[in-house]
Amino acid sequence: DAKTTQPNSMESNEEEPVHLPCNHSTISGTDYIHWYRQLPSQGPEYVIHGLTSNVNNRMASLAIAEDRKSSTLILHRATLRDAAVYYCILRDYTGANSKLTFGKGITLSVRP
Amino acid sequence: NAGVTQTPKFRVLKTGQSMTLLCAQDMNHEYMYWYRQDPGMGLRLIHYSVGEGTTAKGEVPDGYNVSRLKKQNFLLGLESAAPSQTSVYFCASSSLPGQGSSYNSPLHFGNGTRLTVT
Repeated sequence: DAKTTQPNSMESNEEEPVHLPCNHSTISGTDYIHWYRQLPSQGPEYVIHGLTSNVNNRMASLAIAEDRKSSTLILHRATLRDAAVYYCILRDYTGANSKLTFGKGITLSVRP
Repeated sequence: NAGVTQTPKFRVLKTGQSMTLLCAQDMNHEYMYWYRQDPGMGLRLIHYSVGEGTTAKGEVPDGYNVSRLKKQNFLLGLESAAPSQTSVYFCASSSLPGQGSSYNSPLHFGNGTRLTVT
């Protein structure tokens, strides 16, 4: 199974940009990169996904390295509400590997 | 639109008791998953299902059984609860993966079941 690695934690100041990295050196050509976040005492929620090109939505941006072996979730202006655990996972779009594993994620703290 | 609903929200069991956690989704999703979350451990996959009548083992399946008799429901059973099964359990569902413009299969999670085994 392709796996991802993330730092355990990061800190940010409120209203500043945050770059959350994820390494996936064994990514296959059919893997989408997904990001989820989990607020305290809640279930994880979907943030963004991408395959090769950078992606933007109302929550965040996803920058994908040219070789696809790493990606970065970008929060353009961190708010206190963005303090959460962020997970990066790979999802095979063919459905060949349905065993989705999450790992520990990266805990983001936001300072006022 | 309820999404993914988990019942119960909280439960306390004594060692050796049994129980079933229910996950129900109203989005006609093919894929369903059960995860457990312990402090400092992230999410760990217990079992999953890629369709009605099918189940498969995840990372930590021991001590749990599952059933997917109906497409919308995924049941997680503990036959003889142990203190090590004290955890928060999350269910998730998604549609079939696809490619390009047909790709629309993020996971949708429930709000979790907090289980304590004494």
